[in-house]
Parts: sequence; structure tokens; C-alpha cells
Amino acid sequence: AQSVTQPDIHITVSEGASLELRCNYSYGATPYLFWYVQSPGQGLQLLLKYFSGDTLVQGIKGFEAEFKRSQSSFNLRKPSVHWSDAAEYFCAVVAMEYGNKLVFGAGTILRVKS
Amino acid sequence: SQTIHQWPATLVQPVGSPLSLECTVEGTSNPNLYWYRQAAGRGLQLLFYSVGIGQISSEVPQNLSASRPQDRQFILSSKKLLLSDSGFYLCAWNDRGSGNTIYFGEGSWLTVV
Repeated sequence: AQSVTQPDIHITVSEGASLELRCNYSYGATPYLFWYVQSPGQGLQLLLKYFSGDTLVQGIKGFEAEFKRSQSSFNLRKPSVHWSDAAEYFCAVVAMEYGNKLVFGAGTILRVKS
Repeated sequence: SQTIHQWPATLVQPVGSPLSLECTVEGTSNPNLYWYRQAAGRGLQLLFYSVGIGQISSEVPQNLSASRPQDRQFILSSKKLLLSDSGFYLCAWNDRGSGNTIYFGEGSWLTVV
């Protein structure tokens, strides 16, 4: 069965510092991978997605993620974090079975200190 | 463009009372529809999904049910709420046109007291 692991529950970075959020997935075939962001009390907003092709994908708000098949990873990065990036981030994989369900990681809470 | 509406945004209900959360999608036809729950301090759990009118699949046994009376309407219900039903409920839809990207509504906060 498909699964997603986000090993870091909380991460704190200084404003202006670089960021990398880790995501590992378990899936037998080529996965459809996503990163979503959730601000407190809000719904989920899609940051970026990977389906095929270039393994480095660009998203909104200056985020990017790199798909590494050999490591079963899809880590999210940003070169310079802004205070407004503080939120919870979810990695997800589409379960390519009936219904195309999203399977989520447990999430990583990002705190930004000034 | 496609949009998703979910209501009510917040709800406080006593234990044992019924529940109805509604979700509608505009600007698309025959979408896959989903209900997720996010309990406090926990990740997202898929509750139900639907690939068509009247077609509901349940992911976990629980006190909730779902219905899809129309193509773009998805309803989450309960006959008698439990305290453990409290959480943040998210409706979502699947845009097959953009490679199965799933988009979420703004969510509904349910507090059972």
C-alpha cells in the first residue's frame, strides 16, 4: 500500500535561511507526488506537484521540490524563508487505484524566527 | 474556472445531535470527490470518496456517512455525533484534466460538546 513519511514533525528556521522539508514515499510504480501547505485554520493549498519529466519542479511562493526515485524522496526546498511561510506542510502521493486517493504524510510544522 | 464551496465553516454541536456538512464543486463535471478529517495534532485522514453519483467508498469504520445526490454535491452526515467526531473536515475534488491534482475546500471546524 502507498504510504508517505515526513520524518520531521517540527522545524524551526531563521528568516532568510534556507529550508528543506523531507518526504519519503512508498509506492510500486511512478508516483504522483504533491506538496500542500496549510496555514492555521485554513484549508490546504497546493504548492507543487510531480507527475513525470523533469525531476526538479517549481511551485508557488518560491518553493521547489526534487523527485529522487533512487531514494524514494520528494523533498521540498526554499532558498530563503519568509516569516509568512510559517505553516504546516504536507507531502502526499496519489494512490493510483480506484478513486485516485491522496495519501498524506503526517505533516511538518514550520516555525520561522526573526 | 473551477471552485469548491464547503459549509458551514464552523459548527458547535452537542453530543448525540445530527450533522450535515455540504460541499459543492463548480466549473467541472463528474469529478472525484473526497471527505478528509484532520483531528487536532494529527494528520489528514481520508474518510470517504466518490467517483460518481450514488457511489460512495468508505475508508474507515466510523460514526459518519456520506452521500452524493448530485454530480457536484457531496454531503457528510452523522445521525448522532460523538465527542471524537470533533475536528477539521475538508472536502476535496479531483481535477482529472490536470493529471489528477486534488484541490481542497476551505474546511469546516466541527466541535462536539
